[in-house]
Amino acid sequence: GNSVTQMEGPVTLSEEAFLTINCTYTATGYPSLFWYVQYPGEGLQLLLKATKADDKGSNKGFEATYRKETTSFHLEKGSVQVSDSAVYFCALSESAGNMLTFGGGTRLMVKP
Amino acid sequence: GAVVSQHPSWVICKSGTSVKIECRSLDFQATTMFWYRQFPKQSLMLMATSNEGSKATYEQGVEKDKFLINHASLTLSTLTVTSAHPEDSSFYICSAREKGIKAFFGQGTRLTVV
Repeated sequence: GNSVTQMEGPVTLSEEAFLTINCTYTATGYPSLFWYVQYPGEGLQLLLKATKADDKGSNKGFEATYRKETTSFHLEKGSVQVSDSAVYFCALSESAGNMLTFGGGTRLMVKP
Repeated sequence: GAVVSQHPSWVICKSGTSVKIECRSLDFQATTMFWYRQFPKQSLMLMATSNEGSKATYEQGVEKDKFLINHASLTLSTLTVTSAHPEDSSFYICSAREKGIKAFFGQGTRLTVV
């Protein structure tokens, strides 16, 4: 079956530090990959996505590249802000409308 | 880790009937539960947020009378799709959160209305 593994948190960084949250997956086909973010007190929001190998998703300074050879979709940001403090979930979907498989989530804490 | 169980995992129903989806937190008390829907070729859409013992807060554009949410206990929330129609066919997923802690997701329910 499908699975998503992401690094355990919490990740604690100082403002303007570089961020990497690792995500690897196993899937039987060619999934679409997503990063979702949950800010304190809010529901889940789509942060970025990539639908095929070598695609790069980007939004709000965050980036992730779909690496089929390493089955990875690591989330990166060059300079984090306090407002980026949230929980980040990596997820995959085999096809449109199909079940989403989520990683366990990684809490990011950014200190001023 | 915490487990959220969603049931059923898939259901087929006739147009005009109602379907109930359950979301249970198995080893923690979920003060807040979220219900999401995934449209074809799109990502998750938040439908509503429910806190135990109070009425759910629905997102704009979500029909309250059609998608009934009940969060009667700290371990159970239900979503009832009333008078279902083919356009309600979708993938529904819940997540549950203990106070101050990250949310955990159910397995999702694929609803097909025929």
